[in-house]
Amino acid sequence: EADIYQTPRYLVIGTGKKITLECSQTMGHDKMYWYQQDPGMELHLIHYSYGVNSTEKGDLSSESTVSRIRTEHFPLTLESARPSHTSQYLCASSPLTGTNSGANVLTFGAGSRLTVL
Amino acid sequence: RKEVEQDPGPFNVPEGATVAFNCTYSNSASQSFFWYRQDCRKEPKLLMSVYSSGNEDGRFTAQLNRASQYISLLIRDSKLSDSATYLCVVKLLDYKLSFGAGTTVTVRA
Repeated sequence: EADIYQTPRYLVIGTGKKITLECSQTMGHDKMYWYQQDPGMELHLIHYSYGVNSTEKGDLSSESTVSRIRTEHFPLTLESARPSHTSQYLCASSPLTGTNSGANVLTFGAGSRLTVL
Repeated sequence: RKEVEQDPGPFNVPEGATVAFNCTYSNSASQSFFWYRQDCRKEPKLLMSVYSSGNEDGRFTAQLNRASQYISLLIRDSKLSDSATYLCVVKLLDYKLSFGAGTTVTVRA
């Protein structure tokens, strides 16, 4: 009963292709995030958004871009995929306000595992 | 220096055992603390928040030591289903949550 959906779950693509990873949530959360995670490593924030028309870059330099035209939708785009982009991409969301726990608790999607050949 | 550091493990324990591990954080201004659980090739899920006075959730106990800048997680009466990677998460700024690389726990029958 996932409340946040990512597609595709798995993608194998050639170098130079443009890709878009989709993320949608049905919880009405204002905050959304994209993280990148390699095996055995910590999650790194690459983009986040506080609401419609709000997008910011995270800590990890990334060649990807994001958009937030609707509250529930936060797609990530790579204009020209390279092998160095091979990774797991996790989308997450959280409410804007609330108790200390609620406002900071992230709900993650199942992830998109990208392989660039 | 990483903002959040964890012993990667693995901690291999028999069913019924108690296992405990720590996570250290570098920024004394960190505001909130959490433990997430991540199963192999799955997304992280919140296990519990960590409160200043320490807190329990069933067999899980979390502690915070601000003076030494670490949090801990203790699992009592381990179950096979507790096998997972446990991620320490620290909130510094409003948007910034820093994740540790995780501690892997394997519970064997």
